[in-house]
Formats: sequence, structure tokens, C-alpha cells
Amino acid sequence: DAGVIQSPRHEVTEMGQEVTLRCKPISGHDYLFWYRQTMMRGLELLIYFNNNVPIDDSGMPEDRFSAKMPNASFSTLKIQPSEPRDSAVYFCASSFNRGGETQYFGPGTRLLVL
Amino acid sequence: QKEVEQNSGPLSVPEGAIASLNCTYSDRGSQSFFWYRQYSGKSPELIMFIYSNGDKEDGRFTAQLNKASQYVSLLIRDSQPSDSATYLCAATGAGSYQLTFGKGTKLSVIP
Repeated sequence: DAGVIQSPRHEVTEMGQEVTLRCKPISGHDYLFWYRQTMMRGLELLIYFNNNVPIDDSGMPEDRFSAKMPNASFSTLKIQPSEPRDSAVYFCASSFNRGGETQYFGPGTRLLVL
Repeated sequence: QKEVEQNSGPLSVPEGAIASLNCTYSDRGSQSFFWYRQYSGKSPELIMFIYSNGDKEDGRFTAQLNKASQYVSLLIRDSQPSDSATYLCAATGAGSYQLTFGKGTKLSVIP
């Protein structure tokens, strides 16, 4: 079984540019989570979806961040416009409701905003 | 605000010794607790989860939960250099699939 797939793995962009991160959850998983990890703040939940519906976006830092899940196999996290303080590793994770709360993480996207 | 606290370390242990990693949580409603291992530059991977008070063993790993003290620990027996990583403790809220993570403890196993 393929795990959670994220793209791109690395992204370098300039301040003010739009950044789109992509995630394909594990097939059959009905929860999808977006996290951001920095040395200072650790691993923070940004938003999560259940059956493609956003449930809690209270972790989204500001309006520059948006996330969508148009279908069960695809989600995007968009930052527009990007700022240097957005530099971090962004992880997507998925879990299966009836399997408990265990979350499986993708390899992450390393974002550097210059 | 829900918080999960861990000693950032680094925690250094000699090869073959027992490594003890500790975690406290603030939300008394937390139901489930998880330990993830994260190698440098990699994503977190699940080691163990525990729901009930007491000990849960899986190979060289033992998770311990004390809900009265709001305390979770992970013991690694016969530590190996390959266990050197950052260990993240996480907790769910009551009736929630949302995980709150600690900042992690960096473990270094010295050959």
C-alpha cells in the first residue's frame, strides 16, 4: 500500500509568491490533517478534514492560508502571498475513523520563502 | 489551551541501557496517547499508542500512562544507536481525532 503522498518535496520561492502544497491520503482513510513543523513551535495542526469537509481550521495562522479537499484522494494547502516566516516543513497525515486515531504522515514539503 | 510538555533533551544514554522519555499533558479529557519517532529530516512514524492506565509493551518499547497524574512515558530497553531520534508525544482531546503534539525529546544512544 502506498503511504501518504506529498508534493513537492522541496519548494523555494520568493516572498509574495503563491505556494500550493499537495497531498494524497492513504486510500480509504477518511481523515486528513495538515501540520506545520518548525524548530521554535514544533508540530502544529493547521486544519483537518473528515470525509472531505473541513472540521477545524482554528490552527490556520491567517487568511493567507487556505486548504481544500475536493475529493477523497486529494487535498491542497495554499499560501498566498507567502512570507519568510512561512518557511517550515509542512506535513500531511491521514487516518481511518474505525481504526482509531492513529495518523500516518507523509514525507513532508520543505518550504523556504526568501 | 491544550498542551503537551516534553523535556527537549538531548537525552544521552549508552548503548544497551534503558532510555526513559517523559511527557505531561494539560487536558484531563485526553483519551488517547501516542509516541512518534522522527529521524532528522524525516516524517514522524508511530511507535506506540496507549489508552488505558498502566503499561503497554511492544518489543523493546513500553508505554506507561497515569491519567491521575496526567503523565505518559516511553521506555526503550536495550537502546541501540538506531534509536537515536526525536520522540514526539501526542494526545487527543475528548471525543476528538485531533492530536496535540509535544515539541519532542531528542534521544542520542552512544555506541
